[in-house]
Amino acid sequence: QVQLVESGGGVVQPGKSLRLSCAVSGFSLTNYPMHWVRQAPGKGLEWLALISYDGGNQYYADSVKARFIISRDISKNTVYLQMNSLRPEDTAVFYCAREDQLERFDSWGQGTLVTVSS
Amino acid sequence: SYDLTQPPSVSVSPGQTVSITCSGDNLGEKYAFWYQHRPGQSPALVIYQDNKRPSGIPERFSGSNSGNTATLTISGTQAMDEADYYCQTWDRGTALFGGGTKLTVL
Repeated sequence: QVQLVESGGGVVQPGKSLRLSCAVSGFSLTNYPMHWVRQAPGKGLEWLALISYDGGNQYYADSVKARFIISRDISKNTVYLQMNSLRPEDTAVFYCAREDQLERFDSWGQGTLVTVSS
Repeated sequence: SYDLTQPPSVSVSPGQTVSITCSGDNLGEKYAFWYQHRPGQSPALVIYQDNKRPSGIPERFSGSNSGNTATLTISGTQAMDEADYYCQTWDRGTALFGGGTKLTVL
């Protein structure tokens, strides 16, 4: 059974850093690209970052490039999103999602809320 | 940058047919995907590769994609279909979502 469970959200001050985790089970991270997607309050879904199935490539949305870093630890079956220099506009529910061979986001986590506020 | 444009909201009466559009430059040359997002839940795929339904998605959901517009159509709309719907495509290896359309079933 495929499961994705995000954690690490919370309240953080502007300019600070936070690391989100996405623990997966039921499949191997070496077979699937993994993504982070967020939804700010009252806004739509925004794609943020991708790590390739072999871990060798990472891609980012312009809005977070140079501030966010996606990575993974195969031994822990976990994907991470390191978020630096956080801004109030980064406040959102953050989801991790699996991309399958048909380029579908076929599995999603339940989301973790990040609030950037002083 | 590539953009996808959706109407902010559409409404439909129960049992009727509703279409949600998604516009992008030559979108028909790419694959379009559609996700349903209910409040408090994770997004769920309802259409992939323009017009294919994942297992478990009712036949009343259908899709098309041609020219500059992809369309999600829900026939015989039910109250449970009330949700936000997002189109999505791939551009230069990265994902892109439309702004979302709130479907209200009146």
